[in-house]
Amino acid sequence: AQSVTQLDSQVPVFEEAPVELRCNYSSSVSVYLFWYVQYPNQGLQLLLKYLSGSTLVESINGFEAEFNKSQTSFHLRKPSVHISDTAEYFCAVSDGDTGRRALTFGSGTRLQVQP
Amino acid sequence: EPEVTQTPSHQVTQMGQEVILRCVPISNHLYFYWYRQILGQKVEFLVSFYNNEISEKSEIFDDQFSVERPDGSNFTLKIRSTKLEDSAMYFCASSELGGALNEQFFGPGTRLTVL
Repeated sequence: AQSVTQLDSQVPVFEEAPVELRCNYSSSVSVYLFWYVQYPNQGLQLLLKYLSGSTLVESINGFEAEFNKSQTSFHLRKPSVHISDTAEYFCAVSDGDTGRRALTFGSGTRLQVQP
Repeated sequence: EPEVTQTPSHQVTQMGQEVILRCVPISNHLYFYWYRQILGQKVEFLVSFYNNEISEKSEIFDDQFSVERPDGSNFTLKIRSTKLEDSAMYFCASSELGGALNEQFFGPGTRLTVL
């Protein structure tokens, strides 16, 4: 069984400040890791994913996440946030061994960017 | 840009009634999924569907739930006799192929309220 823990339910931050959204997982098998973002009244959108290879993955809008196997973490970071980054962010894992498709999600972190 | 659509956006029903939630996946996608999120809780996997049959399901997906692809475009989730605890946001998703390597695209969700 897999589980995902997002330690912060809400993260308020000022515009242009750096931010880190924390994600830890537990799994008895290897995993694929994902960050999804949900803007108000919209569906979940894939932000970035780690499948294999380089442990640092980046999105097109400046977010990055680093897979740390020893700490079982996949924290999301951005060096300078914008108002438009205000959204809910979900960390998710799926089984990397069997290829099962089901995603296991964390409880989400609401990022609130203030001017 | 193709997207997953869901109708209705909000459904209110009485306990014990049947509800059908509808989804139109992206047209060339072959795998379809339902997830739900009870208010304040995590997004949870319900079921995945491929080639007109269920490929995976969670413990939540009991005999009260069923899925169907009645035609070439719609994918539905039916709850036969709704309970208060079925109140949640239900997300439909689709992916081009199976396996974690293929991104799941999510719809905006249907909020189900059971009174």
